[in-house]
Amino acid sequence: KNQVEQSPQSLIILEGKNCTLQCNYTVSPFSNLRWYKQDTGRGPVSLTIMTFSENTKSNGRYTATLDADTKQSSLHITASQLSDSASYICVVFSLTTGGFKTIFGAGTRLFVKA
Amino acid sequence: DTEVTQTPKHLVMGMTNKKSLKCEQHMGHRAMYWYKQKAKKPPELMFVYSYEKLSINESVPSRFSPECPNSSLLNLHLHALQPEDSALYLCASSQISGGTGEQFFGPGTRLTVL
Repeated sequence: KNQVEQSPQSLIILEGKNCTLQCNYTVSPFSNLRWYKQDTGRGPVSLTIMTFSENTKSNGRYTATLDADTKQSSLHITASQLSDSASYICVVFSLTTGGFKTIFGAGTRLFVKA
Repeated sequence: DTEVTQTPKHLVMGMTNKKSLKCEQHMGHRAMYWYKQKAKKPPELMFVYSYEKLSINESVPSRFSPECPNSSLLNLHLHALQPEDSALYLCASSQISGGTGEQFFGPGTRLTVL
């Protein structure tokens, strides 16, 4: 069954600290993996995209990693800011000759406190 | 213009009302999507339009009726909704249906059904 599982469900950190969010997937075939940031009541915004051959990709203070062998990804946030408070959603895209699937994880809710 | 816009931002309606949600993009994308998102849950795909034709309907009740008048516009007509239909409704677009999976999301319409 195609699934994307994220941990932790929620996380509270102090401003300026680093944190790492986890994503495990059992999607096949795998095409790519995206991390989205979603502010409350807003639409998701793409942070990074990882394909099968990529191990690490950075976008400012966000660094995503991918281990295609273990089917795990992580999103590391450096020097957190209050504006990082949001839900972070891991999304795996699967493209086949018969169509495509976009499988969303349940998200990690991050709270950054002053 | 790299934005997907949605109107209205908020909508409150009774169970006997008829209302419409609107979505617009001017990125030349040929695929558009409607998602429903309940609180603390990932978005759930409802409909996919590809080249203005409905290509995917995820068994959505007929009280939700999508319409794609042209390649830039996507509507969702609502009629006889239930309180459990209250949610954030997200519109998204992509260059083509499937493709690399990259979807651009609008800010959403927060719908409350009384």
